[in-house]
Amino acid sequence: DAEITQSPRHKITETGRQVTLACHQTWNHNNMFWYRQDLGHGLRLIHYSYGVHDTNKGEVSDGYSVSRSNTEDLPLTLESAASSQTSVYFCASSESRGQIYEQYFGPGTRLTVT
Amino acid sequence: KQEVTQIPAALSVPEGENLVLNCSFTDSAIYNLQWFRQDPGKGLTSLLLIQSSQREQTSGRLNASLDKSSGRSTLYIAASQPGDSATYLCALGAGSYQLTFGKGTKLSVIP
Repeated sequence: DAEITQSPRHKITETGRQVTLACHQTWNHNNMFWYRQDLGHGLRLIHYSYGVHDTNKGEVSDGYSVSRSNTEDLPLTLESAASSQTSVYFCASSESRGQIYEQYFGPGTRLTVT
Repeated sequence: KQEVTQIPAALSVPEGENLVLNCSFTDSAIYNLQWFRQDPGKGLTSLLLIQSSQREQTSGRLNASLDKSSGRSTLYIAASQPGDSATYLCALGAGSYQLTFGKGTKLSVIP
């Protein structure tokens, strides 16, 4: 069955370190998204991609970057981790099908920045 | 900017009760609305997708409705069970393949 996987599932890192969270989907979807989920804020969009070599900034993109070199993967990099980036990160994907787009989510990565 | 509100933030009901979860939005120019379920420490599971041209969708004990003119969607759960306990989120798609999420309603079904 098609799925989205994220790794690692849990990560503890120190302030100032570079961290990369992996996202891999086997749906063959063009669109991929990164969200963070925090109490009181809900899900907020960080970055998204509509296809290979395409990346776009979302609502809360400062301090994060992504690159898309193939259809299956969209890694999220925290350039210099900050305590404010402690959160749960979700990757999602959807196909491009006119105006109808159903997003499918990965299991999440819980990141703690100390 | 689209705003999505889910009230109440938490709801507790006895097992077997029928219940309704609410989702309201400010901009009726939407393409689709998606309801998700999230269990503690888990990802989001898609429950139902309603296209803007549809009024409702059904899956088993779940029924979701959409009224664009009033900016509302409801998720009806029939004969609730303890296994239905989770957080339910609604999300609106209004272009560019992006979703705007509500903050969710945490449902507890008491045996």
